[in-house]
Amino acid sequence: DAGITQSPRYKITETGRQVTLMCHQTWSHSYMFWYRQDLGHGLRLIYYSAAADITDKGEVPDGYVVSRSKTENFPLTLESATRSQTSVYFCASSEPDRLNDYTFGSGTRLTVV
Amino acid sequence: AQRVTQPEKLLSVFKGAPVELKCNYSYSGSPELFWYVQYSRQRLQLLLRHISRESIKGFTADLNKGETSFHLKKPFAQEEDSAMYYCALRAGGTSYGKLTFGQGTILTVHP
Repeated sequence: DAGITQSPRYKITETGRQVTLMCHQTWSHSYMFWYRQDLGHGLRLIYYSAAADITDKGEVPDGYVVSRSKTENFPLTLESATRSQTSVYFCASSEPDRLNDYTFGSGTRLTVV
Repeated sequence: AQRVTQPEKLLSVFKGAPVELKCNYSYSGSPELFWYVQYSRQRLQLLLRHISRESIKGFTADLNKGETSFHLKKPFAQEEDSAMYYCALRAGGTSYGKLTFGQGTILTVHP
């Protein structure tokens, strides 16, 4: 069941630092997503990717950068962390012909101090 | 743009009582609606989807296009149902499978 893994599970960083959250999936799913989870806002899409080297912005992309050089990896980088980016970040993946099988990672709890 | 609203942030019931978690959506096309659940210290997982009209763990949800609602119901709540519940919508067309989530409802079932 651990076909999609996120690392680290917990991270504390200082304001202004760059931090990268990793997401790795073993199914070769085409689609990958990054969401942030905040009380009162639910899950909001940050970025998504339809395939390697194809990425696009979601609802709340400001302050984040993604890349997808390989199908299995979809790292999320906070270029200069701010306190408002303190959140739980979830990665997910799915296949175009099986969109109902949307699988989430365990999440990364990021605290920016 | 689509929107999903879950009006209740917190919902408390006693074991054996009926429970209904509300979900309303706005979308101009034909949406696909889902309920996801997140138990304590576990990852988010799919509970059910409207197209399959299935019952999972005693939960059901009916898509009401007239009222643009997709409420989640269970006739007799159990303590193990305590969790965070998210209603989600996927738009049609080239949405790349993107899901729009509601704000979530924390359900607590008391013994």
